[in-house]
Amino acid sequence: TQLLEQSPQFLSIQEGENLTVYCNSSSVFSSLQWYRQEPGEGPVLLVTVVTGGEVKKLKRLTFQFGDARKDSSLHITAAQPGDTGLYLCAGLNSGGYQKVTFGTGTKLQVIP
Amino acid sequence: DTAVSQTPKYLVTQMGNDKSIKCEQNLGHDTMYWYKQDSKKFLKIMFSYNNKELIINETVPNRFSPKSPDKAHLNLHINSLELGDSAVYFCASSPYPDRGPYTGELFFGEGSRLTVL
Repeated sequence: TQLLEQSPQFLSIQEGENLTVYCNSSSVFSSLQWYRQEPGEGPVLLVTVVTGGEVKKLKRLTFQFGDARKDSSLHITAAQPGDTGLYLCAGLNSGGYQKVTFGTGTKLQVIP
Repeated sequence: DTAVSQTPKYLVTQMGNDKSIKCEQNLGHDTMYWYKQDSKKFLKIMFSYNNKELIINETVPNRFSPKSPDKAHLNLHINSLELGDSAVYFCASSPYPDRGPYTGELFFGEGSRLTVL
């Protein structure tokens, strides 16, 4: 069973601070996605990373895929209250089987 | 236009009843999924269909039966509901590229919150 552990589980910070969320596994993934979920809604795709070592930026969000494609990080610069939500990483298994496994989630609260 | 839509959004029912949740996507995707999100917000895959064919069945009790009449629809029927079935059920669709590898990007519906009393 492929497990994706996210840390921290909860994060409460002041507006303007920086933060990093980690997504770790012992399994190799073909690709990895990050999603944000707000209360009462479904997860919304933020980014997909495919190549080991790949870095993608989405405004104040920076995503990195580990060299071995087993882990990823999400860094937010100058967090805003609108960044508040549940952040989920998800990995596509590398065995040619279309299974997308989700991480344990990081709940972020940005206080104005 | 709603891309992935689920009905109903809320469902409250008694233990032992049978209920269905419907899902439709207008994105033209070939692959659809059902996920269950528990009270700790963990999303667990249940089923995956590719062009109406079941390709993933993640050790889900036989009381759960998915049906895909066409590639735009994936419904979930649950028999003999139990207290532990209470959760939010998410439908998602995923594009299969004409070129290049499948990346597993998911587009989710708003979820159907099932409460079993």
